[in-house]
Amino acid sequence: DTGVSQNPRHKITKRGQNVTFRCDPISEHNRLYWYRQTLGQGPEFLTYFQNEAQLEKSRLLSDRFSAERPKGSFSTLEIQRTEQGDSAMYLCASSLISGTTRETQYFGPGTRLLVL
Amino acid sequence: AQTVTQSQPEMSVQEAETVTLSCTYDTSESDYYLFWYKQPPSRQMILVIRQEAYKQQNATENRFSVNFQKAAKSFSLKISDSQLGDAAMYFCAYRSSGTASKLTFGTGTRLQVTL
Repeated sequence: DTGVSQNPRHKITKRGQNVTFRCDPISEHNRLYWYRQTLGQGPEFLTYFQNEAQLEKSRLLSDRFSAERPKGSFSTLEIQRTEQGDSAMYLCASSLISGTTRETQYFGPGTRLLVL
Repeated sequence: AQTVTQSQPEMSVQEAETVTLSCTYDTSESDYYLFWYKQPPSRQMILVIRQEAYKQQNATENRFSVNFQKAAKSFSLKISDSQLGDAAMYFCAYRSSGTASKLTFGTGTRLQVTL
């Protein structure tokens, strides 16, 4: 069990550019979540997948945001035409849902995005 | 929609002492889960303790315990015998018991541990 990993850990970009983040969940975890955390706030839910299916998207996830989880393994979160308001820490979490397991979300270290 | 409120932005405790972090929440649901997560500086968030709403018994994990008051919608975290390594942001979180499994977090409490 190597934990949830996220890449890159830091990203600086100019306004209007596109960025893509990657999350590798804990092996065999079937659920994967994306959250956004701004300074002084708790994480806010963006979206989640069960296997490869995207089951819920927050209203926070504007049309400029898209997430994928091909083959139910790693996930990518893309932000198009970045804005300064997108500057935040993007957190990924994974969990295992099964009939006998209580779900616990395990978080990655996050990707800190700064939009100039 | 559910909301989680942490009214203490910062708390301080001396090493080996006990501290209690407060959390209140608002929900119309009867079955749900509550969590405390710890986020050390520049490190990833880890689960400290969880409580199922249907359980009357308060959860405990070593030096960490909760005081769950369902009627008051209160969920406080008590840390006993505080250690320097306990210094971190602590987030209270809520999750519905249904298919929607997203976590709703409070704004956090920064805990300082002094010698």
